[in-house]
Amino acid sequence: QVQLQESGPGLVKPSQTLSLTCTVSGGSINTGGYYWSWIRQHPGKGLEYIGYIYYSGSTYYNPSLRSRVTISVDTSKNQFSLKLTSVTAADTAMYYCASLVVVTTYAFDIWGQGTMVTVSS
Amino acid sequence: EIVLTQSPGTLSLSPGERATLSCRASQSVSSSYLAWYQQKPGQAPSLLIYGASSRATGIPARFSGSGSGTDFTLTISRLEPEDFAVYYCQQYGRSPITFGQGTRLEIK
Repeated sequence: QVQLQESGPGLVKPSQTLSLTCTVSGGSINTGGYYWSWIRQHPGKGLEYIGYIYYSGSTYYNPSLRSRVTISVDTSKNQFSLKLTSVTAADTAMYYCASLVVVTTYAFDIWGQGTMVTVSS
Repeated sequence: EIVLTQSPGTLSLSPGERATLSCRASQSVSSSYLAWYQQKPGQAPSLLIYGASSRATGIPARFSGSGSGTDFTLTISRLEPEDFAVYYCQQYGRSPITFGQGTRLEIK
């Protein structure tokens, strides 16, 4: 049973870079058919897709965040990471990593528990 | 981008009643790429329905999905106490992936 776990600082200062890591356990990140994704949820709000990375390294970013987002993968550690630059209070949110299955369900079948990130000085 | 509009925003029902949640897309979405999620307080969303009408593993039969094109529906035939939560639809037919704003299902 694949599980995902987010980690990273819970507090980031404005204008700095938000960095989060998602560790994949119970399975290999090298498995084809999964887009390893980041999604965020502003407090009390809906869900916003940030982007994904495939194990090969190919990426997709939501155009609304593309200029500030980088998603990378470390297959040796079975992890993928999110970097969001020049953060503001508007980036305060719960950040989830999730696996998007692109061979069967075309949906997010596994989610991490989420990590809350607050942008504040 | 495809905008998904869910209605109603809040639905107040009693256990045992039938719940009907709507998701309308601003452009046609292939049924293969429409999913529904349930989110309980303090938890991550969890997959309920994929491909508009297929139940995810372990999801009870009281949950069903239907629809095509721009109109999709999630139906819960007889509400159990654990079903009161927020429900989101999501499309993957056209990038970027988008979610609806959610429907809150609350106990009446």
